[in-house]
Amino acid sequence: GENVEQHPSTLSVQEGDSAVIKCTYSDSASNYFPWYKQELGKRPQLIIDIRSNVGEKKDQRIAVTLNKTAKHFSLHITETQPEDSAVYFCAAEDNTDKLIFGTGTRLQVFP
Amino acid sequence: DAGITQSPRHKVTETGTPVTLRCHQTENHRYMYWYRQDPGHGLRLIHYSYGVKDTDKGEVSDGYSVSRSKTEDFLLTLESATSSQTSVYFCAISGSDTQYFGPGTRLTVL
Repeated sequence: GENVEQHPSTLSVQEGDSAVIKCTYSDSASNYFPWYKQELGKRPQLIIDIRSNVGEKKDQRIAVTLNKTAKHFSLHITETQPEDSAVYFCAAEDNTDKLIFGTGTRLQVFP
Repeated sequence: DAGITQSPRHKVTETGTPVTLRCHQTENHRYMYWYRQDPGHGLRLIHYSYGVKDTDKGEVSDGYSVSRSKTEDFLLTLESATSSQTSVYFCAISGSDTQYFGPGTRLTVL
């Protein structure tokens, strides 16, 4: 079945710097890759997603890239702000339409 | 947030007691899911439903059962709670592939 690995597990950056979180997946048939942000004590919230027919998608300071050949996708956050501090989860949809999640990245943005 | 509620939001129970968590949606979405979230493990699927009375097992289904008698409600039952089931439980709904999460239930089994 699908397996998703996420790195790094923790990431600390200075405010204004960029942050990159990477995920790899195992099932070449996967075609939907969402990213969720979870603030402390809150529910995971979808922040961006990408489908396999595109290589990159942007939404203001957030972008996701997908390399289907290498089976990896990445989240890029530019001009980080303290409110970007949270845990970020990647996921891949398996061949039975279920999401398989990575183990999460704790991002800390220091002023 | 999508129209998803979970009840109770917090519960403390003792080992061996039955526990039922409820997920309620107002979006009329077909798919509903139960996940548990534990440190170092991310979100792991317990059970899911693709329609009324249609359910299937996820990755960590042992010790859990579910029921869906109406489109809007998805119940998760721990028949005999154990300490290893102490966790935060999230319900999610989906109309296609995008999943939206409920606020979560923090369950502590003593």
